[in-house]
Amino acid sequence: GAGVSQTPSNKVTEKGKYVELRCDPISGHTALYWYRQSLGQGPEFLIYFQGTGAADDSGLPNDRFFAVRPEGSVSTLKIQRTERGDSAVYLCASSLDPVSSYEQYFGPGTRLTVT
Amino acid sequence: LAKTTQPISMDSYEGQEVNITCSHNNIATNDYITWYQQFPSQGPRFIIQGYKTKVTNEVASLFIPADRKSSTLSLPRVSLSDTAVYYCLVGDYNQGGKLIFGQGTELSVKP
Repeated sequence: GAGVSQTPSNKVTEKGKYVELRCDPISGHTALYWYRQSLGQGPEFLIYFQGTGAADDSGLPNDRFFAVRPEGSVSTLKIQRTERGDSAVYLCASSLDPVSSYEQYFGPGTRLTVT
Repeated sequence: LAKTTQPISMDSYEGQEVNITCSHNNIATNDYITWYQQFPSQGPRFIIQGYKTKVTNEVASLFIPADRKSSTLSLPRVSLSDTAVYYCLVGDYNQGGKLIFGQGTELSVKP
């Protein structure tokens, strides 16, 4: 079956602009996660959804970052007033349910570059 | 969450067995040990998970001593395509939630 998909694959934006990154999880997976990864580092947790609600948003760095999952499937990560330090690969993952969260299926990521 | 320590990089040759050891001295009773693999320009991929003793699947084996303060991921007869970053993670995932990644071990397999 189809894996986790993310769009766009690459996004270049100017400092101060607003961006939206989209994630389509595996069908039937109730849990969805966002991470970001800087060069040479492991992925860093941002936010976790169980269904439509954010179960843990402790990793969002500040209030410029926001994520939604209105129907419990597709999720959008929104970044306002982008800064050069936001440049990274943003990864989305899903798992079948919370109990299976050790086995998360990752998408290929969106590479965000803020100029 | 328990902190993990693993080598930053390792080199190997095709056909050899590779063992990557991870230390996690502060592992809690409910914590499991999970390993992920990441190829360049891809998201991480789950390899194996264990709680104690030995776990084996079609990809790798995971050895966990009785005190559970360390674990060893064993990759049999590696090939060039096993060149990747390998992450050791420790946590209690039964209630759901985030994965905490460290820096990982960059494995380079040479011909």
